Formats: sequence, structure tokens, C-alpha cells
Amino acid sequence: AQTVTQSQPEMSVQEAETVTLSCTYDTSENNYYLFWYKQPPSRQMILVIRQEAYKQQNATENRFSVNFQKAAKSFSLKISDSQLGDTAMYFCAFMKRDNQGGKLIFGQGTELSVKP
Amino acid sequence: DGGITQSPKYLFRKEGQNVTLSCEQNLNHDAMYWYRQDPGQGLRLIYYSQIVNDFQKGDIAEGYSVSREKKESFPLTVTSAQKNPTAFYLCASRNRGNYGYTFGSGTRLTVV
Repeated sequence: AQTVTQSQPEMSVQEAETVTLSCTYDTSENNYYLFWYKQPPSRQMILVIRQEAYKQQNATENRFSVNFQKAAKSFSLKISDSQLGDTAMYFCAFMKRDNQGGKLIFGQGTELSVKP
Repeated sequence: DGGITQSPKYLFRKEGQNVTLSCEQNLNHDAMYWYRQDPGQGLRLIYYSQIVNDFQKGDIAEGYSVSREKKESFPLTVTSAQKNPTAFYLCASRNRGNYGYTFGSGTRLTVV
């Protein structure tokens, strides 16, 4: 079975600075997706970024980028130039790339506070 | 606009009662999912359905039931057998062969 672990329950960062959220996962699969989701106080789940395991290049979306280390099973999220609107719960998630239901497996979450 | 509608937003249940959470999507997505969110535990899968009239148990299905009579609808019933039902419930949908999930806005269930 796959597991996803986020070891940082809470983090804080000053506005305009950079912060990195950690995520590790365990799987015997070779083909899968990894995701970071953001859940602001409204509790709406928003996809931040995704990574396909077969791609070596790290994904980037504007101020958000990942450091994907497949051998180490590590998938960290870097937020550059942090903004007050980045304050949210962040979830790392795993999905097998097969026909077995497309289930997302989530980590425990990291609550990020961006301080002015 | 296409999306997922969950209702109600807040729900209160007395102990021993069954209650049904609604989830409707107009995205023509094949698969639908129910997740439960508790503080410090992330989201855990309750049930999922890939096609109409078929569904599978997730990791924490005990005390819950679902139906999928229409492609658009995937209601979740929290039965009296669920020992600790107070939680935030999220419904989601996805097209098969596509990684992208669409989430609803959630239902907060409280047992009083």
C-alpha cells in the first residue's frame, strides 16, 4: 500500500520570503502522479502543482516549484515570494497511474501561515 | 458553469440517526469519490465509483453507504454504525484516464 507523509504540521514564513514544505511517500509502483493541493480557510481544494513520475524535470507553476527526488521518494514544494493569500493548509498527494480507480492518497497536511 | 455541488454546507445529526450528504456534478465525469477530513489526518477515502451502478470501498468505509444510480449523483449516507461521524466531508469527480480531480466545497457534519 502507498503512504504519504508530511512531517511538518505547521510552518510560518514572512511575506516575500521563500518556504519549502516537505513530503515523502512510499510505493513500489513506477508509474504515478504526485500533487500538491492547497486548502485555504474556505476549505475549497485547489490544485497547486503536479508531477508525473516518469518526468525527471521538476514541475514549476509561477511561484510554486517542486523538488522531485524519485529514488529518495521525496516531493517537496517551494513557494517563492510568499504572499498573504498563500496562507492555507497544503496537502501532498499520490495517485497510481493505472486503471484502478484513480484514488488519491493524501498526507496529513502542513498548515502554512504567511505573516506580514 | 460546470462543477460539483455538495449540500448542505452544514449538517447536524443526533446520535443514532442516519443522514445523507448530497453530491451532484454536471461535468459528465465518470468517477466520483467521497473523502473524510479530520484535523491532523489529511483526507481519507470512504467510497468511490467509476461507473453507474458500481462502487468500491475505500480505506474507511465502515459505517457509511453510497449509491450511484445516476452518473451525476453520488450520495453518501452516514449510518448510526459510524462511531465518530463528526468531520468535514469532501466529494470529488474525475474523468477516467485523466488525473485531474474536481472537488466540491464540502459538508461539515456535527453530531449533537
